[in-house]
Amino acid sequence: DTAVSQTPKYLVTQMGNDKSIKCEQNLGHDTMYWYKQDSKKFLKIMFSYNNKELIINETVPNRFSPKSPDKAHLNLHINSLELGDSAVYFCASSQDPGTGGFFGPGTRLTVL
Amino acid sequence: RKEVEQDPGPFNVPEGATVAFNCTYSNSASQSFFWYRQDCRKEPKLLMSVYSSGNEDGRFTAQLNRASQYISLLIRDSKLSDSATYLCVVNTGGSYIPTFGRGTSLIVHP
Repeated sequence: DTAVSQTPKYLVTQMGNDKSIKCEQNLGHDTMYWYKQDSKKFLKIMFSYNNKELIINETVPNRFSPKSPDKAHLNLHINSLELGDSAVYFCASSQDPGTGGFFGPGTRLTVL
Repeated sequence: RKEVEQDPGPFNVPEGATVAFNCTYSNSASQSFFWYRQDCRKEPKLLMSVYSSGNEDGRFTAQLNRASQYISLLIRDSKLSDSATYLCVVNTGGSYIPTFGRGTSLIVHP
């Protein structure tokens, strides 16, 4: 009965690689988000989709590309990974935009 | 001035104590406010929304002061299990961007 799930939970990869993180929610929510939490624990929104449409695209390198195939899924693809991309990436969903959301368990990305 | 500011703490309190955190925000047009709790190496979890009239959920009370642009969280009768980082979230309605504070660390000791 997982509400928001993410895969993988851990991701260790080399600089320059391309990787994807998947997110699914079964709450029937219209809005989904990607957040990044850095080593200093600062949680910052990256993207938000409402009904499969991008509504928030914060200052994020264009190496990061979200894709929402349907309302229940929001995947994050990262090209040419850099050391500074190492962080925990959280997916979240909410019924209305801008309310923070219910969070998935996070994906801990380590770039070597 | 940062958009959302919190005292990082840590607040170190004994069991049974009452503790309060504040969170200030810079945008007077902000409309939605929330408190989240994050345990170490876990995801943030919604603790409570903050309503204009203030709201209470068991030992937790949240209040909004629009004039001074801050929200507060009061925890009564602290339990060991309340030890966590408490994050405030402020949303400026038109932008749909939820902005998180950096969090306040609470440690409740026996």
